Amino acid sequence: QKEVEQDPGPLSVPEGAIVSLNCTYSNSAFQYFMWYRQYSRKGPELLMYTYSSGNKEDGRFTAQVDKSSKYISLFIRDSQPSDSATYLCAMIKGGSGDKLTFGTGTRLAVRP
Amino acid sequence: EAGVAQSPRYKIIEKRQSVAFWCNPISGHATLYWYQQILGQGPKLLIQFQNNGVVDDSQLPKDRFSAERLKGVDSTLKIQPAKLEDSAVYLCASGPPTTSGYTFGSGTRLTVV
Repeated sequence: QKEVEQDPGPLSVPEGAIVSLNCTYSNSAFQYFMWYRQYSRKGPELLMYTYSSGNKEDGRFTAQVDKSSKYISLFIRDSQPSDSATYLCAMIKGGSGDKLTFGTGTRLAVRP
Repeated sequence: EAGVAQSPRYKIIEKRQSVAFWCNPISGHATLYWYQQILGQGPKLLIQFQNNGVVDDSQLPKDRFSAERLKGVDSTLKIQPAKLEDSAVYLCASGPPTTSGYTFGSGTRLTVV
């Protein structure tokens, strides 16, 4: 069983839709949670970073962490075609330095 | 601020050949990482440097992969000899030594035929 599970998609939505992306994890040692966006033929780009349970909002993006359920989510409001990319969740275990453990990524396509 | 620079962008080699990738991190970033991203998977850490010392190379296949970071700045990752399963994107990232995420380069796409 992988430590971090993420539905690979693809996920296709119409422009303006609310998108929900999710990851589950099995190891309670994960303490820091991130979402990266990766466009085709580019490196991952950090979108959101959280370290506590609850919600964190940044513009059209909201990151949600539920440590009791070992579940994290990324919501995208008013989705745009420019949001079409692969979204990767990533996590760091407490005391492990900066080593990121990634999910497999979810491919998102936003249709105009 | 200039980003993380990587070269080459693409490389095609035959199995059993050798190949090297180069990374120039963001100026002043002490920590440098090499990740391997196989198609359809998330990146996997190969090696982490702090300045010019190795912090974590537990997932580096040391029988064929090697990496160095000269003078705590640029880094090279080498594969010798390459196998078909080494086909992947090799991503370099750099950051300050905090758990706040770090910056990735665009990667080198390696195809082994």
